[in-house]
Amino acid sequence: EAGVAQSPRYKIIEKRQSVAFWCNPISGHATLYWYQQILGQGPKLLIQFQNNGVVDDSQLPKDRFSAERLKGVDSTLKIQPAKLEDSAVYLCASSSAENTEAFFGQGTRLTVV
Amino acid sequence: QKEVEQNSGPLSVPEGAIASLNCTYSDRGSQSFFWYRQYSGKSPELIMFIYSNGDKEDGRFTAQLNKASQYVSLLIRDSQPSDSATYLCAVNSGYSTLTFGKGTMLLVSP
Repeated sequence: EAGVAQSPRYKIIEKRQSVAFWCNPISGHATLYWYQQILGQGPKLLIQFQNNGVVDDSQLPKDRFSAERLKGVDSTLKIQPAKLEDSAVYLCASSSAENTEAFFGQGTRLTVV
Repeated sequence: QKEVEQNSGPLSVPEGAIASLNCTYSDRGSQSFFWYRQYSGKSPELIMFIYSNGDKEDGRFTAQLNKASQYVSLLIRDSQPSDSATYLCAVNSGYSTLTFGKGTMLLVSP
């Protein structure tokens, strides 16, 4: 079974530029999460989808971050414009149902300079 | 705001010892509990999950849950240097929102 796929693995951009990350969850997984992990901290939930509907986006900085999940499968997370404090690893995870374990992709390491 | 608290460590144990990692959570409605291991520069990988009060054993790992005390722990028996990593506690509260603690760094010395 293929795991969660993310791209790109690494990205370096200048502040005020825009960037997009892509995630393909495990086949059949209805729940998809985007997490932000700053060095030395635990993952912080940005947004959670159930199929193509948003379950929780309370911690998503909506003035600069946006996310969508097309047809309940792939998802993209966009930052526009980026700030220095957005430097982090962006992790995508998926799970098959509510209250079940989530499986993570390899993450995208974003550096904003 | 749902909170998951972990001691950041590092927790240092000698090889062969038992490592005990602890986690408390704030939401009494939490239903499922997970322990993830994260090596430096890698993404979290699931070690164990537990849904019911009591102990759950899987090889060298034992998860313990006490919902009345809002406490979950992970015991690692016969600790190995390869167990050195950050251990993340995650709690799922009803509507599938998975909240993570900041993690405890474990160092196992040979």
